[in-house]
Amino acid sequence: EPEVTQTPSHQVTQMGQEVILRCVPISNHLYFYWYRQILGQKVEFLVSFYNNEISEKSEIFDDQFSVERPDGSNFTLKIRSTKLEDSAMYFCASRGTGLLFFGPGTRLTVL
Amino acid sequence: AQSVTQPDIHITVSEGASLELRCNYSYGATPYLFWYVQSPGQGLQLLLKYFSGDTLVQGIKGFEAEFKRSQSSFNLRKPSVHWSDAAEYFCAAMPFRSNFGNEKLTFGTGTRLTIIP
Repeated sequence: EPEVTQTPSHQVTQMGQEVILRCVPISNHLYFYWYRQILGQKVEFLVSFYNNEISEKSEIFDDQFSVERPDGSNFTLKIRSTKLEDSAMYFCASRGTGLLFFGPGTRLTVL
Repeated sequence: AQSVTQPDIHITVSEGASLELRCNYSYGATPYLFWYVQSPGQGLQLLLKYFSGDTLVQGIKGFEAEFKRSQSSFNLRKPSVHWSDAAEYFCAAMPFRSNFGNEKLTFGTGTRLTIIP
């Protein structure tokens, strides 16, 4: 069964450093998403991506965030200068014409 | 604004007892509706979904949910819970479009389920 994969599973970084979270969506999917879940809180939408551009982004997705699909298979989320409050679980998801399929998540810890 | 509400932050039930987790939505038109489960430190697992048709939908692990348009609700139920059902449960919704389009999923705040022996 096809699945969304994410790497790394856990990333620890120092405040102010750049991080790149990687996702490999399901191969024939067209829509890609990043969600964030701060520990103990709800799952929040960050950004959606379709046809090689951002379709929608939330207020959380400020100038420190960017997304890219560099090679037709990977889908990345970059945080340019991490803050303590960026510590969270980040979920990637992809969709063809129906359901969203979520990856297992990357736990980001900012020290 | 589109929203999903889960009124119960935390529910405790005894093993073997029945369970109902509440979910209400606020959308202009009936959205697609989902329930996800998340075990501690884990990802999101889809329990069941409602797109249209029969208002009682069956999911995995013995869960079911009933869509009630008049109440804008999509409550999750299980007749007899097991200790392994202890987890966080999220209701979610996506706006209805015939071809899904580029819509996003909006989650409720979650309900933490504790099972006591």
